Amino acid sequence: GENVEQHPSTLSVQEGDSAVIKCTYSDSASNYFPWYKQELGKRPQLIIDIRSNVGEKKDQRIAVTLNKTAKHFSLHITETQPEDSAVYFCAAPARNKFYFGSGTKLNVKP
Amino acid sequence: KAGVTQTPRYLIKTRGQQVTLSCSPISGHRSVSWYQQTPGQGLQFLFEYFSETQRNKGNFPGRFSGRQFSNSRSEMNVSTLELGDSALYLCASSLGQGTWDGELFFGEGSRLTVL
Repeated sequence: GENVEQHPSTLSVQEGDSAVIKCTYSDSASNYFPWYKQELGKRPQLIIDIRSNVGEKKDQRIAVTLNKTAKHFSLHITETQPEDSAVYFCAAPARNKFYFGSGTKLNVKP
Repeated sequence: KAGVTQTPRYLIKTRGQQVTLSCSPISGHRSVSWYQQTPGQGLQFLFEYFSETQRNKGNFPGRFSGRQFSNSRSEMNVSTLELGDSALYLCASSLGQGTWDGELFFGEGSRLTVL
């Protein structure tokens, strides 16, 4: 989406390695930043989200960090497993619209 | 609790026709939003409804419209179909007390092919 930039578009890692996906947003008023995972042929599902009043949130092997000053947030997956292979989307609200990043296709090689 | 249900799952139309897609949200969810997913453009926001009112709208032409009924079920309509409208149309529901502040629960989508 024009207000959310996501990088990289594809990411290939070895099982057990870490993966990091980054997003930048343009609206400084944005206050909610979710990450969605979409497995092939399935619907997107929320995996973690963060609100603008915190800088980091963790849930087992997944963490999200937020830098409000720089207007970017990142998804960190540690100890990657083959089942982490999917497309990951970041998102952010902006001016009463909701923008998704263009997606990152993560491939975890066994 | 039943998930978000979208119908039909697949449909084929020709240019110039119109199409109506339906979305039944999770019971108790009052917000329904719609998204267009294409390989080239990713997930793009169409519009969001809350308590039968369109609360937010994306950057799509007027051929794309929607509505929400008193039971929170929603429909979206695309008129004068174009080849570029071929896509997976996803709807999502949420509790929606605030705008964009909670988890979106997606349906499986309606895959539209325009010939």
